Amino acid sequence: VHLQESGPGLVKPSETLSLTCTVSGGSIISGGHHWSWIRQYSGKGLEWIGYIYYSGSTFYNPSLRSRVTMSLDTSKNEFSLNLSSVTAADTAVYYCASKRGHNWFDPWGQGTLVTVSS
Amino acid sequence: QSVLTQPPSVSAAPGQKVTISCSGNSSNIGSNYNYVSWYQQLPGTAPKLLIYETNKRPSEIPDRFSASKSGTSATLAITGLQTEDEADYYCGTWDITLSAVFGGGTRVTVL
Repeated sequence: VHLQESGPGLVKPSETLSLTCTVSGGSIISGGHHWSWIRQYSGKGLEWIGYIYYSGSTFYNPSLRSRVTMSLDTSKNEFSLNLSSVTAADTAVYYCASKRGHNWFDPWGQGTLVTVSS
Repeated sequence: QSVLTQPPSVSAAPGQKVTISCSGNSSNIGSNYNYVSWYQQLPGTAPKLLIYETNKRPSEIPDRFSASKSGTSATLAITGLQTEDEADYYCGTWDITLSAVFGGGTRVTVL
């Protein structure tokens, strides 16, 4: 399975950050994968954002839950992240990844830098 | 501020051994049913799974990498250190707050 993030690299404060992760080499509806988003600040500091299962059930980081929405598009074999009301503190490299088994992440996408700035 | 605590950096000469600690508490690493994973991040790349379920290696990871857990801490060991091992290493686990949590990362330098 290979993952690839896409989306705007620049988002204005108070707007919604929207990213998509395209899954190749496997079906997004196959079991065993919890499709996840993780972000990394300034080369360090990993923060898990949440995951979506092929059934559509979601699980979000409690600290971000009020602003996060994840969805699946099975026809395109991709999943998406929406993060609303962004501020400069949301500037980070965003990775999509698959959460497996007892909570390990593999594989990861290459990551995409999102900067929040006016 | 990361939930799990790692030393910022460790270093050793080629062929030597380094260990990286990952300290948590009873809500995460110390929980009986929580497993620890480790990731290697080479410069400019995404993290890559190194260890899963506390001490298991994916087939492509050399046996120079090993890991263990005791109480509320976990340890990653790299033996026979090679220049290609220069990278950032992160530990991760699940927390009873129902979140995946990570360490702040440790930079390994090969002298």
